[in-house]
Amino acid sequence: DGGITQSPKYLFRKEGQNVTLSCEQNLNHDAMYWYRQDPGQGLRLIYYSQIVNDFQKGDIAEGYSVSREKKESFPLTVTSAQKNPTAFYLCASSLRNPNSPLHFGNGTRLTVT
Amino acid sequence: SQQGEEDPQALSIQEGENATMNCSYKTSINNLQWYRQNSGRGLVHLILIRSNEREKHSGRLRVTLDTSKKSSSLLITASRAADTASYFCASYSGAGSYQLTFGKGTKLSVIP
Repeated sequence: DGGITQSPKYLFRKEGQNVTLSCEQNLNHDAMYWYRQDPGQGLRLIYYSQIVNDFQKGDIAEGYSVSREKKESFPLTVTSAQKNPTAFYLCASSLRNPNSPLHFGNGTRLTVT
Repeated sequence: SQQGEEDPQALSIQEGENATMNCSYKTSINNLQWYRQNSGRGLVHLILIRSNEREKHSGRLRVTLDTSKKSSSLLITASRAADTASYFCASYSGAGSYQLTFGKGTKLSVIP
């Protein structure tokens, strides 16, 4: 079955530590995205990538970093510079076509204490 | 930046009733999309309506788009308990944008 896999589902870290969230897709999509969701809120775009080895900042990129070395993979690193990292992180992918819907993974819930 | 805003924020109905959710957006769009999110899960795409369309149906879903008012509505007919979820509208932030921007969502509760 094609889809997007995010791992792990739950992640706990101590303040001051960097942490990397995994996102893998086998849908052969060129575009991939990372969103952050806080309780009762909509999704806010962190980073997106339209093609391998290229990515752009979204609305809330500060304190985050990404890489896109392979078409299938788009890992997100939450650095110690992110002031409020505790949130639900969602990865998505799509065709490079503005009329193509996004396909989402089931998210990683990160808790930093 | 918030492109879409859903209304109401929360909606509670009895099973079998219809549910209507509204979305307003700010900039011109190529299309407007609706997604559903079950608690603690990722979003699932429901329907996409293009800017030159006024109405679109998919099963029990009916979406309308009024570009003059920059608004859209999602109607779920004959609701079921399984429709309980949050519903989000989304659109791209301006011409040529690759940033799909979501509203804060409508939380729908369908009571059996």
